Amino acid sequence: EPEVTQTPSHQVTQMGQEVILRCVPISNHLYFYWYRQILGQKVEFLVSFYNNEISEKSEIFDDQFSVERPDGSNFTLKIRSTKLEDSAMYFCASKPRWALTKANSPLHFGNGTRLTVT
Amino acid sequence: AQSVTQLGSHVSVSEGALVLLRCNYSSSVPPYLFWYVQYPNQGLQLLLKYTTGATLVKGINGFEAEFKKSETSFHLTKPSAHMSDAAEYFCAVSEALSTGGFKTIFGAGTRLFVKA
Repeated sequence: EPEVTQTPSHQVTQMGQEVILRCVPISNHLYFYWYRQILGQKVEFLVSFYNNEISEKSEIFDDQFSVERPDGSNFTLKIRSTKLEDSAMYFCASKPRWALTKANSPLHFGNGTRLTVT
Repeated sequence: AQSVTQLGSHVSVSEGALVLLRCNYSSSVPPYLFWYVQYPNQGLQLLLKYTTGATLVKGINGFEAEFKKSETSFHLTKPSAHMSDAAEYFCAVSEALSTGGFKTIFGAGTRLFVKA
């Protein structure tokens, strides 16, 4: 069964550094999302991406964050200048083409990247 | 905005006992509800989903959930817990985006412990 893959599985960075988290969504999927989960807390929506642009972003997704689909297969999340509070598990998720009008379409998640900011 | 509330951040049951994980939703429109499970060091997997129609929804691994509109609830149950059910469980609701499409809103999660 096709999977969403995320790399790296764990990244450690120093405060103020830029990080790029990478995701390869399922190949025929068109809707892409980033969620994050701070240790022990809920899974929070960051951003949704469709047709090469952001369709919605949360309050968390400020100017320090950006997303890109550089080559038609990868979907990246960049944090320009990391802060301690950015330490979390970041999940990429995707949905297929038919999901646009289907509220009951589930998300397909990757295994996440654990980001640790020191 | 739609939301879900999960009662109890931790639930502990004995192996073979009934599992009951509670979820209440808030929605101004008919909700589309989900339960996801997260095993250690893994992403979230869909357990089951409610759309419309039958109020009792069966999912994978013997889990089921009942949609009760009068109680705005969507509690998850399993008659007999197994050690492999130990995981974190998230209730979620689908919310329409103004730009089209939907996003999923998650509850805070309930960690299920299963004792031998």
